[in-house]
Amino acid sequence: AQKITQTQPGMFVQEKEAVTLDCTYDTSDQSYGLFWYKQPSSGEMIFLIYQGSYDEQNATEGRYSLNFQKARKSANLVISASQLGDSAMYFCAMREGSYTSGTYKYIFGTGTRLKVLA
Amino acid sequence: DTAVSQTPKYLVTQMGNDKSIKCEQNLGHDTMYWYKQDSKKFLKIMFSYNNKELIINETVPNRFSPKSPDKAHLNLHINSLELGDSAVYFCASSPEPAIGEGTGELFFGEGSRLTVL
Repeated sequence: AQKITQTQPGMFVQEKEAVTLDCTYDTSDQSYGLFWYKQPSSGEMIFLIYQGSYDEQNATEGRYSLNFQKARKSANLVISASQLGDSAMYFCAMREGSYTSGTYKYIFGTGTRLKVLA
Repeated sequence: DTAVSQTPKYLVTQMGNDKSIKCEQNLGHDTMYWYKQDSKKFLKIMFSYNNKELIINETVPNRFSPKSPDKAHLNLHINSLELGDSAVYFCASSPEPAIGEGTGELFFGEGSRLTVL
């Protein structure tokens, strides 16, 4: 079973509009972390935003915000005021497991390719 | 100064050859990883090391052998390369999670694109 599910293989958004990229996760851990990464066509992985499982407020970083709905196990990324440079692959990831027991790992979804239109 | 650096960035080789990819991080992190990104962009964890000790081996063929001479380095050696090994290999590192502080995100290298002909 997929631990991280991104159901949108591709999305289009008009420049200056907002877009939501969906992510649902599956874990039985009480403590976990959720991350979004951006991968432009140049290939590097860029960390965007983090949400801890115990954080009560949704995380925000500039134009990025994470819509965290714990009961629904969803962690959607919202990009406001889209720019042409936002065109890229976006990956949702979850960190689960125990650091002290050595089961700590980061699992990635299949990604969503976002294209921003001028 | 690059936080996580991998060499080489590109590798083109024939089936059956052996090749290595090196990775170094200067962030002082205890945990390092190798991920494989296939042609469909799927990122799959291969190995993780914590302070030179193998922690996770995600059912990777034993043609792949990671080696960590110290906690700042994690190298990947691949024997008898096959066509299906063609991919981008990412090295990454992460800090020990600190409750209430920081995010503990993965720091990635730039990736090494391996092409097996």
